[in-house]
Amino acid sequence: AQKITQTQPGMFVQEKEAVTLDCTYDTSDPSYGLFWYKQPSSGEMIFLIYQGSYDQQNATEGRYSLNFQKARKSANLVISASQLGDSAMYFCAMREGSTGSGNTPLVFGKGTRLSVIA
Amino acid sequence: DTGVSQDPRHKITKRGQNVTFRCDPISEHNRLYWYRQTLGQGPEFLTYFQNEAQLEKSRLLSDRFSAERPKGSFSTLEIQRTEQGDSAMYLCASSWGQSYNSPLHFGNGTRLTVT
Repeated sequence: AQKITQTQPGMFVQEKEAVTLDCTYDTSDPSYGLFWYKQPSSGEMIFLIYQGSYDQQNATEGRYSLNFQKARKSANLVISASQLGDSAMYFCAMREGSTGSGNTPLVFGKGTRLSVIA
Repeated sequence: DTGVSQDPRHKITKRGQNVTFRCDPISEHNRLYWYRQTLGQGPEFLTYFQNEAQLEKSRLLSDRFSAERPKGSFSTLEIQRTEQGDSAMYLCASSWGQSYNSPLHFGNGTRLTVT
C-alpha cells in the first residue's frame, strides 16, 4: 500500500501568491516524522520542513508552513509569496519511528511539479 | 559542513559493464543512505548504513548491486552487469542519529545511463 500520496502531479501559481501542495500518509505507528523536500531541475533534494507526529503546533520555516491534520493523516505544504525560484518538484516523505532498528527509511511520494508564473 | 558529495555526476555505460559510484557524507553523520530515482517518480530506498554496518536492504537491491561503507566514512555502490533498467539517478544521503526526526541531507546524485 502506498504510504505517501501526492494527488497533484502539477500545479501552477502566480508569482507572489500562496500555494498549497497536498500530501496524505498512511501509518499505524504512533511515532513518525513528515518531511518536505524540494528538487529543482539540477537534481539536488533540498530539505524544507519537518513535522513530528507529537508536535502540537504546525511547523513553519520562513515562507514554508505545514498544515498538519493528524486525524485526517494529511500534511500539506503551504508556500507563501511564491517566487520564480520556487519552480521545482516537491516531495512529501515519511519516516516511522517505532521499529526495533530505531526507525524506518524515509519513504517518498511521487511528487508535485510546481510552476510559478510571472 | 561541505554537504554530501557524490561522484561522478554522470555515467554512461554499455549494458553488461560494471559501474561504481562514490558518496562522501557530511563528516559528523553516522547514517548513510542510497536511493534510486527514475523519471517522474520519488526516490526509492535501496540500502542504508549506520557507521560501517549495513542495516537494511530493499528488495529493489538485486544481487547485482552491492554497497559498502568501509570505516564508516565514504560509501560505494557497485552495479555489476548493468541492464538498461538500471538507468536512473542514484542519490546518496546522510543523517545524524537514529531518531525519526532527523532529516536526510542529499547529494546531487549520480545519473546513470545504460545504453
